[in-house]
Amino acid sequence: QSVLAQPPSASETPGQRVTISCSGSRSNIGTYTVNWYQQVPGTAPKLLMYNNDQRPSGVPDRFSGSKSGTSVSLTISGLQSEDEADYYCAAWDDGLNGLVFGGGTKLTVL
Amino acid sequence: QVTLRESGPALVKPTQTLTLTCTFSGFSLSTDRMCVNWIRQPPGKALEWLARIDWDDDKYYTTSLKTRLTISKDTSKNQVVLTMTNVDPVDTATYYCARSPLGGYNYYFDYWGQGTLVTVSS
Repeated sequence: QSVLAQPPSASETPGQRVTISCSGSRSNIGTYTVNWYQQVPGTAPKLLMYNNDQRPSGVPDRFSGSKSGTSVSLTISGLQSEDEADYYCAAWDDGLNGLVFGGGTKLTVL
Repeated sequence: QVTLRESGPALVKPTQTLTLTCTFSGFSLSTDRMCVNWIRQPPGKALEWLARIDWDDDKYYTTSLKTRLTISKDTSKNQVVLTMTNVDPVDTATYYCARSPLGGYNYYFDYWGQGTLVTVSS
């Protein structure tokens, strides 16, 4: 069981909006910023969102992030087929004194 | 242009020591707040952060593997080395190195290597 809880899967049709949640606790999300990584199968992860809601250069504005208390969400609007990938949240955890990843959410674009 | 590349053995026997090298370019690990991390991913499973080394030689390890891991850097060679002792088949994974441009605890991995698959088997 991951310290950061993500739904194992999500699916939606092209053009629609999907939200992926990541739930933690005061020792991680409640205290530190959260980052999101996108991993297309067979490739290395890619930074998708940092400091909860900041997009790196090159990431489309279809991707947005938000944080509330000990949970964060990643929302993808105008879903495209190339968005089909695994998505991971990550944050530092005080109790473990280390960085923790969520278990990942496999997004399928129907 | 920032690049990172992992290298090491593809196959290791149980109980042996695994040594992985991350060779990078486009930045210096002597730059203030720069860090390099190791992350692994068993086949079909989630990412797992392993260790981090900072520009000032501070080191951090995942609690569950702390006794088996050692991370070190050679700034002149632009390399970071991770050793893992007493490997087991459950250590079979793709191992990635990744850069963090910030120290502290609110940090992220902005560049990743392509990863190297390590299989532990007799």
